[in-house]
Amino acid sequence: DIQMTQSPSSLSASVGDRVTITCRASQSISGYLNWYQQKPGKAPKLLIYVASSLQSGVPSRFSGSGSGTDFSLTISSLQPEDFATYYCQQSYSNSLTFGGGTKVEIK
Amino acid sequence: EVQLVESGGGLVQPGGSLRLSCAVSGFTVSSYWMHWVRQAPGKGLVWVSRINSDGSSTSYADSVKGRFTISRDNAKNTLYLQMNSLRAEDTAVYYCARGLHSYGFGDRNDYWGQGTLVTVSS
Repeated sequence: DIQMTQSPSSLSASVGDRVTITCRASQSISGYLNWYQQKPGKAPKLLIYVASSLQSGVPSRFSGSGSGTDFSLTISSLQPEDFATYYCQQSYSNSLTFGGGTKVEIK
Repeated sequence: EVQLVESGGGLVQPGGSLRLSCAVSGFTVSSYWMHWVRQAPGKGLVWVSRINSDGSSTSYADSVKGRFTISRDNAKNTLYLQMNSLRAEDTAVYYCARGLHSYGFGDRNDYWGQGTLVTVSS
């Protein structure tokens, strides 16, 4: 299986901060990388697909980049509703895998 | 409105079986790839299984291969996950999710259910 490693596992930030989360694949996955946001007790929400395409309805402060093995999710100006856990997911292989998650907390 | 509603979770003993259901509305399950994803208490997301739109192809995580079976009933617009030989480590909230699958875009899950809790314990 392709392993997905996210960093950091958690971070503290303030409203208005620029935040970047990284995700590294154990082998090249081309651009088959999605990002999800999950709040406590809720189902995940799709933010970004194929590395950089913004899902309909998602604010433009979210952006994604990368290809091959290294990817990143950036929130340009953190808002109160963005405090959550973020997961990357690869869909390159038939056996999809998620990263371990990055929890974004209020500083 | 798209909705996915899981059911069938509960407490089961190690070695036991359980069948989860995911009733969908607002779209036709036979037109989409469908997935199961689980999350152990306080842990991250783990992809479990998927089935393609015509039901001819299925995939499983290594941790459940040979024990879990994904299926669908198009007439009932429902997705299933048959779970056998359950272990304590299968304890998790199980989510069903709609998959968008296309050439050049891979898979992504755009709609999710609220999840159903499976607890494997004696």
